[in-house]
Amino acid sequence: GIQVEQSPPDLILQEGANSTLRCNFSDSVNNLQWFHQNPWGQLINLFYIPSGTKQNGRLSATTVATERYSLLYISSSQTTDSGVYFCAVDQTGANNLFFGTGTRLTVIP
Amino acid sequence: DADVTQTPRNRITKTGKRIMLECSQTKGHDRMYWYRQDPGLGLRLIYYSFDVKDINKGEISDGYSVSRQAQAKFSLSLESAIPNQTALYFCATGLAGDISDTQYFGPGTRLTVL
Repeated sequence: GIQVEQSPPDLILQEGANSTLRCNFSDSVNNLQWFHQNPWGQLINLFYIPSGTKQNGRLSATTVATERYSLLYISSSQTTDSGVYFCAVDQTGANNLFFGTGTRLTVIP
Repeated sequence: DADVTQTPRNRITKTGKRIMLECSQTKGHDRMYWYRQDPGLGLRLIYYSFDVKDINKGEISDGYSVSRQAQAKFSLSLESAIPNQTALYFCATGLAGDISDTQYFGPGTRLTVL
């Protein structure tokens, strides 16, 4: 099956710093999504981004489908950004998501 | 009120017991999914359903069964629980034809099998 690798596995930032999270995938996909899991376990969809670039406030994401990677940018990080960020992909067109192992982000004040 | 609810939120059971986890949604979505999350492994798809009569196995369906009792309800059963089924279980919903293919997750059920 498809492999989804995320890096770095752990990241500690000072509040206000910027960061880039990376997701590499081993095969072509028709769906890529980024999720944030907060410290209480709740999963929230951040972006649906099979290709191109999107921005939502301090967050933005870019997927280069031909090179099989996606990047999530977090600018001016806040403590509420802490949690685990997951990349998930689908090859089937049925939205059957395969998740990466996540990047755990800790933002310290 | 939450759009996707899961019951129970926490459950401790013993090896060999039958367990049912329930998921309800008020979003009117036709698609529903069950995932499990293990530490360091991300989420893995157990089963998914595109409507009441359409149920499909996911990546790790062995040891699990599901029932789609209505469009709004999707339950996951462990017929004979074993310790390696200890995990955090998530239900999610989605809408066919949604161009963003967004999935909306419930709060999770933490299951411990002793």
